[in-house]
Amino acid sequence: DAKTTQPPSMDCAEGRAANLPCNHSTISGNEYVYWYRQIHSQGPQYIIHGLKNNETNEMASLIITEDRKSSTLILPHATLRDTAVYYCIVRENTGGFKTIFGAGTRLFVKA
Amino acid sequence: GAVVSQHPSWVICKSGTSVKIECRSLDFQATTMFWYRQFPKQSLMLMATSNEGSKATYEQGVEKDKFLINHASLTLSTLTVTSAHPEDSSFYICSASKGVVNYGYTFGSGTRLTVV
Repeated sequence: DAKTTQPPSMDCAEGRAANLPCNHSTISGNEYVYWYRQIHSQGPQYIIHGLKNNETNEMASLIITEDRKSSTLILPHATLRDTAVYYCIVRENTGGFKTIFGAGTRLFVKA
Repeated sequence: GAVVSQHPSWVICKSGTSVKIECRSLDFQATTMFWYRQFPKQSLMLMATSNEGSKATYEQGVEKDKFLINHASLTLSTLTVTSAHPEDSSFYICSASKGVVNYGYTFGSGTRLTVV
């Protein structure tokens, strides 16, 4: 079973920051938080991942709470092309461990 | 790096026939690949774990005799949907990992299967 809970949908104005929350209250010490997104009829795209420190890359920032029970993915300046389903996943960071997807959050970026 | 190619991107087949979907890691070797199925407006459902040189591990409720998985090399896994029926129509997606310490699995672009 997926170990994460996300809101089913969110709206965001183009150019504004999109903040997507994720609850993972049962995360264990060796599990990382991963974020993927899926644009319609395409395979999921990796965005970012982290263990306990906040992370940033060219796509997004990941803020993980100190107790690691929740996290927020931040798209700093959302564009229309960011409209997609965003999946928050917890899993161990070694090869061979399967990735289980929850329902995700459908983000609508509006002009 | 870390490109996964999936072929075909779409296929239409007649009921009762078999369809093979290929998943290739183009620039890395993948000892483990995963196969997912996705129905419209639903999330990805893990079907099986494909292990190079050994039998695949299927998730509960997935018929191993219907969904045949072969991982004959470190860069290729195939999923064959045997005796396909209209209810097998779905979006099938594979993923692969570069290795032990990874930055997330890379996913193929998916295969849209329509059984008529």
